[in-house]
Amino acid sequence: DAGVTQSPTHLIKTRGQQVTLRCSPKSGHDTVSWYQQALGQGPQFIFQYYEEEERQRGNFPDRFSGHQFPNYSSELNVNALLLGDSALYLCASSLLQGGPYEQYFGPGTRLTVT
Amino acid sequence: AQSVTQLDSHVSVSEGTPVLLRCNYSSSYSPSLFWYVQHPNKGLQLLLKYTSAATLVKGINGFEAEFKKSETSFHLTKPSAHMSDAAEYFCVVSPLSGGYNKLIFGAGTRLAVHP
Repeated sequence: DAGVTQSPTHLIKTRGQQVTLRCSPKSGHDTVSWYQQALGQGPQFIFQYYEEEERQRGNFPDRFSGHQFPNYSSELNVNALLLGDSALYLCASSLLQGGPYEQYFGPGTRLTVT
Repeated sequence: AQSVTQLDSHVSVSEGTPVLLRCNYSSSYSPSLFWYVQHPNKGLQLLLKYTSAATLVKGINGFEAEFKKSETSFHLTKPSAHMSDAAEYFCVVSPLSGGYNKLIFGAGTRLAVHP
């Protein structure tokens, strides 16, 4: 049973550029959430997708956008990159119905903005 | 609003001694609570979860946590530390909104295990 997978593993971008990160959920899961983990901090919730729609959003600017595809995989897009966007981006998948709502995380994408 | 406070940023123990990582939560109703572990350069792994079925929750690798509503605490314990337990531990609360949930993480506790 494949777990959550993310690509790429590492990415280096320049300020002002745009980036797309990808996530495939654990088999059988229908909900994908994205988190940003800055160095030395706990992950911060960015947004959650279910049935191809954004259902919840954290305190992140509109530069952060996402998409969920019919096969439940997801993308995170960040426009106009800032140095402060350098972080580990984590994707998590879960099942919406039935609880107990635990989320399973992928290994993350390390984004460095120079 | 829901939040979690991890009372220690760093904990250091000797191998074979007990581990206690402390977590207090704030919630306006009965929460779902979790502990996750993150080893260096790795993703997050679920250790255990509380969902109101039982106040003492057993997880993987010998860890357990006790939900104490009167103290709003959810401390993580292990009777005997192993070198492989050295990692970052996160206490997490999950508020529900119409069936959708987000995870709210504490700041983390770094556990060091010495021989």
